[in-house]
Amino acid sequence: GQQVMQIPQYQHVQEGEDFTTYCNSSTTLSNIQWYKQRPGGHPVFLIQLVKSGEVKKQKRLTFQFGEAKKNSSLHITATQTTDVGTYFCAGPRDSNYQLIWGAGTKLIIKP
Amino acid sequence: DAMVIQNPRYQVTQFGKPVTLSCSQTLNHNVMYWYQQKSSQAPKLLFHYYDKDFNNEADTPDNFQSRRPNTSFCFLDIRSPGLGDAAMYLCATSREYAAKEQYFGPGTRLTVT
Repeated sequence: GQQVMQIPQYQHVQEGEDFTTYCNSSTTLSNIQWYKQRPGGHPVFLIQLVKSGEVKKQKRLTFQFGEAKKNSSLHITATQTTDVGTYFCAGPRDSNYQLIWGAGTKLIIKP
Repeated sequence: DAMVIQNPRYQVTQFGKPVTLSCSQTLNHNVMYWYQQKSSQAPKLLFHYYDKDFNNEADTPDNFQSRRPNTSFCFLDIRSPGLGDAAMYLCATSREYAAKEQYFGPGTRLTVT
């Protein structure tokens, strides 16, 4: 069946280092969404990418959608403690347009 | 502020004792979703409504039911909770189907004793 895979599962970084999470779909997606979930919180929508090769920036966050619309990445420059949480990608399922979620990447800042 | 509200935030129930979780929204969105999320996992869609049209995920157990009496409210009923149903239950809304972002409530943490 249709799958969205996300790696890595965890990433430990020192504050100030960069962070990247990668998302790969088994099928072409019409769009891809990114959500952030803080510890103990609920998912919060960050962005939606729609166009092939699209790149969008939000301050220190850079989102990319691959040319084939099957992969995506989120890159955070110079991480801060406020970036801690789990980042999920999600794309619509072909059959009923409901979101298929990646497993998430947990960003952990080393003390 | 427009938002998605879930009550209660924490719910403790006994094994086999029916429980109802509630969700309300002031966004006037057409679609409402119920997700189950266990620790360190992605949210798992249980079912969703487009207006009053109910859509069940194929792998959602029969133990889980839902009601949407009007646009603003949606309920999740767990008829006979088992220990494996302990999780965070998240309600979400969207204006339309997955082409648009989803807005999540704070969740209800269910404990089954």
